[in-house]
Amino acid sequence: SAVISQKPSRDICQRGTSLTIQCQVDSQVTMMFWYRQQPGQSLTLIATANQGSEATYESGFVIDKFPISRPNLTFSTLTVSNMSPEDSSIYLCSVVGQSNTEAFFGQGTRLTVV
Amino acid sequence: QKEVEQNSGPLSVPEGAIASLNCTYSDRGSQSFFWYRQYSGKSPELIMSIYSNGDKEDGRFTAQLNKASQYVSLLIRDSQPSDSATYLCVIGGGSYIPTFGRGTSLIVHP
Repeated sequence: SAVISQKPSRDICQRGTSLTIQCQVDSQVTMMFWYRQQPGQSLTLIATANQGSEATYESGFVIDKFPISRPNLTFSTLTVSNMSPEDSSIYLCSVVGQSNTEAFFGQGTRLTVV
Repeated sequence: QKEVEQNSGPLSVPEGAIASLNCTYSDRGSQSFFWYRQYSGKSPELIMSIYSNGDKEDGRFTAQLNKASQYVSLLIRDSQPSDSATYLCVIGGGSYIPTFGRGTSLIVHP
């Protein structure tokens, strides 16, 4: 299994500001993902974080709003830019294990935009 | 577009009963099947994985897979109030990007 450290665990932010969420994994992993979970909803994939290249975004998510970095195989960041109250969600970092099967999750970041 | 369908519930069972959670999926090429449990306000945690047809048992949990019917289920025996959570069915393919169902809310009442 992979151990993932995600921070911050929660934050309250003013609209119009940006927040960067960090995800650190205890081992090298090929695939890292960022998800959003809005209240009462399931997980929605934002993007796949690619090491050394631009992230691959899902429909409805764009790089200007959710810039992602992945400088190496153990670390990634997601920035939520120019926040509005609609961005209030839980954001989750996820990795796929060495066997390319199970997914593991960080603790999540609970974001509230006021 | 891969789809994973789950009844959102809530499924309410008495303590000690068997809880049965069901999931269907659209992609016949799917190879990996998982059940995650998510407590309110927490991240999902993996509880079962299954890759071949049939049953797989782990303690009080049994996962069942029928690829011909594109159906996967999770049985929880001797349900406990601590099992009350949302259960997410997750499907993986060859190039693994997890596809999540919407989750089934389970309530185990004393």
